[in-house]
Amino acid sequence: DARVTQTPRHKVTEMGQEVTMRCQPILGHNTVFWYRQTMMQGLELLAYFRNRAPLDDSGMPKDRFSAEMPDATLATLKIQPSEPRDSAVYFCASGLPQGLAGTKETQYFGPGTRLLVL
Amino acid sequence: DAKTTQPTSMDCAEGRAANLPCNHSTISGNEYVYWYRQIHSQGPQYIIHGLKNNETNEMASLIITEDRKSSTLILPHATLRDTAVYYCIVRRGNQFYFGTGTSLTVIP
Repeated sequence: DARVTQTPRHKVTEMGQEVTMRCQPILGHNTVFWYRQTMMQGLELLAYFRNRAPLDDSGMPKDRFSAEMPDATLATLKIQPSEPRDSAVYFCASGLPQGLAGTKETQYFGPGTRLLVL
Repeated sequence: DAKTTQPTSMDCAEGRAANLPCNHSTISGNEYVYWYRQIHSQGPQYIIHGLKNNETNEMASLIITEDRKSSTLILPHATLRDTAVYYCIVRRGNQFYFGTGTSLTVIP
């Protein structure tokens, strides 16, 4: 039963510290998404990768956030320096795009990293 | 500038069809309508998506009006496990525009 895994599941840190969140997509999936969820804003898309290349990160605050895929089995989201307003649940999702043969796009979410910045 | 608007909450009797509406009156011709749901304290789950034709899969049906300005997600036989927040999303290329979601409660 393949799943997206995310680490850590919970993180508490102090303002100004660097935070790194990791995601292992499902083997064979070539698209990776990073989302952020808060009570106030709901679910927001931060960044989107395909074949390890960033296709869109316009939803991500550029001054402190960065997203990378060093290899096909690892995606990272970093916040430096972190601020209290970054407190949220961060979800990673992986999937396959809609295929030329009409196969449907898929997207599977990980359990999320719950971040609290004090 | 919300791309989608949804009712805040809805109830549905167990075993009945749940019809969740979504308005996306400013949708463009190349923008897709997606639906996700999120059960409390879990990650979101993809349900279905479409462009202009109605779509059906093992989870739900998606009915899109001819003018594409609104759509309805149909869960044909709602169960208690379908209680969740349902998000209607407009997608243009790599941009996903989320609404605030409808909290669906399935009542025994």
